[in-house]
Amino acid sequence: RKEVEQDPGPFNVPEGATVAFNCTYSNSASQSFFWYRQDCRKEPKLLMSVYSSGNEDGRFTAQLNRASQYISLLIRDSKLSDSATYLCVVNPGAAGNKLTFGGGTRVLVKP
Amino acid sequence: EAQVTQNPRYLITVTGKKLTVTCSQNMNHEYMSWYRQDPGLGLRQIYYSMNVEATDKGDVPEGYKVSRKEKRNFPLILESPSPNQTSLYFCASRGGHYYEQYFGPGTRLTVT
Repeated sequence: RKEVEQDPGPFNVPEGATVAFNCTYSNSASQSFFWYRQDCRKEPKLLMSVYSSGNEDGRFTAQLNRASQYISLLIRDSKLSDSATYLCVVNPGAAGNKLTFGGGTRVLVKP
Repeated sequence: EAQVTQNPRYLITVTGKKLTVTCSQNMNHEYMSWYRQDPGLGLRQIYYSMNVEATDKGDVPEGYKVSRKEKRNFPLILESPSPNQTSLYFCASRGGHYYEQYFGPGTRLTVT
């Protein structure tokens, strides 16, 4: 089993719709979680840090379920510009530990 | 503006010709890393550094060297590049309240 798993997609989403996808992690001791957005051939950009049960930033909501060991990302009112690959990133331990990356979920928002 | 910078952004070179990719961050972060990203393989860590003069191997260190003489700089060195090192390279630094990671804009390297 991979340490961090994501559905690769693509998730084809009509503009204005809501889309949600999950990321599962295997290490129950994982401390912190992040969602990054990556556009084709560009650097990953931090979208949200996920602490405690989750948080919200505008149209984006991230939730953490420690019991089932997954985090989710929900995008409301999808924009064409939301089309990207979303990377789930997990810190398995102390602050200095190596981050573990999921393979990414591709989202395509269409008019 | 807080940022990680890399140079060059694009590089085409020949097998065996030594090259260095520079990386610099202005956020006073202690932790820095180098990754390569290849289709189907995701991001793989090459080397990381916990602080000045403290570097260690990541998942795919073969064929690469790094140094950390100053906190802000973390150059990646390819002593004798080979075609299998053709890839997209990202430098990153971590720090701040939630120890978040920030990536540089990437260096696209082609070795012929």
